[in-house]
Amino acid sequence: GAVVSQHPSRVICKSGTSVKIECRSLDFQATTMFWYRQFPKQSLMLMATSNEGSKATYEQGVEKDKFLINHASLTLSTLTVTSAHPEDSSFYICSIFLPSNYGYTFGSGTRLTVV
Amino acid sequence: DQQVKQNSPSLSVQEGRISILNCDYTNSMFDYFLWYKKYPAEGPTFLISISSIKDKNEDGRFTVFLNKSAKHLSLHIVPSQPGDSAVYFCAASSNTGNQFYFGTGTSLTVIP
Repeated sequence: GAVVSQHPSRVICKSGTSVKIECRSLDFQATTMFWYRQFPKQSLMLMATSNEGSKATYEQGVEKDKFLINHASLTLSTLTVTSAHPEDSSFYICSIFLPSNYGYTFGSGTRLTVV
Repeated sequence: DQQVKQNSPSLSVQEGRISILNCDYTNSMFDYFLWYKKYPAEGPTFLISISSIKDKNEDGRFTVFLNKSAKHLSLHIVPSQPGDSAVYFCAASSNTGNQFYFGTGTSLTVIP
């Protein structure tokens, strides 16, 4: 089955710096990727839908200028958390939807800690 | 390689009957398991979890069973209701909690 690779799995950064998270579809050309965020013991919250070659679609309440999404190719989408604050510390995970029996495939997530 | 597998992409159940969704994993280091429910155009919603020290966890109509020796968990919904129709994901992590591994989902349809 298709695999989604997410990198890094864990990152610690200083407040005010920017962090880039990569999501790669290893054997499937994904025109659409989804970015989620999860706070401890809470549900995954959809942040944005990343569209290859066009602007991402952000969910209500998600700051576009803070969470920059780039989907420059069919196999790579990046999420950049700009000017990170401690409240941005969370678990970020990407996903793609594959047709037929593969369904939704998730990356393994990135644990971001802002200090 | 998929470390968490949901081998049934879809399931149909009559209203009032039991729905059983299955999930298998390969990594013996996993010790925390979750089930999520997803409606179309929405993000997955946390449903129920279980840690490896237990073999059963119940919350209302939802019960999760864990068989560590078989590396298998299942979600039972009884009685099933039409509003339960959604895609269900299982997920697993190790005690570090730094990474979650998701299954590909099972689409449940509860027929009125």
